[in-house]
Amino acid sequence: GESVGLHLPTLSVQEGDNSIINCAYSNSASDYFIWYKQESGKGPQFIIDIRSNMDKRQGQRVTVLLNKTVKHLSLQIAATQPGDSAVYFCAETTAGGTSYGKLTFGQGTILTVHP
Amino acid sequence: KAGVTQTPRYLIKTRGQQVTLSCSPISGHRSVSWYQQTPGQGLQFLFEYFSETQRNKGNFPGRFSGRQFSNSRSEMNVSTLELGDSALYLCASSLVWGNPQYFGPGTRLTVT
Repeated sequence: GESVGLHLPTLSVQEGDNSIINCAYSNSASDYFIWYKQESGKGPQFIIDIRSNMDKRQGQRVTVLLNKTVKHLSLQIAATQPGDSAVYFCAETTAGGTSYGKLTFGQGTILTVHP
Repeated sequence: KAGVTQTPRYLIKTRGQQVTLSCSPISGHRSVSWYQQTPGQGLQFLFEYFSETQRNKGNFPGRFSGRQFSNSRSEMNVSTLELGDSALYLCASSLVWGNPQYFGPGTRLTVT
């Protein structure tokens, strides 16, 4: 049958605001998580990662929070800038075995930052 | 270090033809993974190679295949192209598990 395009969640913010992008992951055995940013016409760009033995990790202007109890991941971007406008993906994986090199991606969230 | 490179960047093929895409990983990275990205299905894992061995394969038909060379460079091949194979094909490389995968710019394949 005809495929239906993914309807990506959208987040629209003003420049300088803080942004929070959420992601629910599916596999309770996942133990490594990554956030990527993808701009139009480009491949996904690594932002930040976190392992399951942590619940928070900070980078430059970004923070990732992991709640394993409810299988939820969030990406916080401080002082959002127009250059942050992109599609953001969370990805999960498990250690070794049948999951070698396999990332399972969320559907993505479109972030639009208005000047 | 140079990033992941993919060639060609754009490709137009006709149904029934075959295509080969190439990926050069970041220097020192031995794991190379391939993904297909479409508006309808999002990002989907194709396969992963490490030290010239396929360690993992996604849920794609046998028309999709790949290989890795001793210098870690990888190629993927799609035979008997179908219209639904039109997609952005992304290659990613990483050191070992527990390290992030870094993506190339992708190859945009259009099948007519």
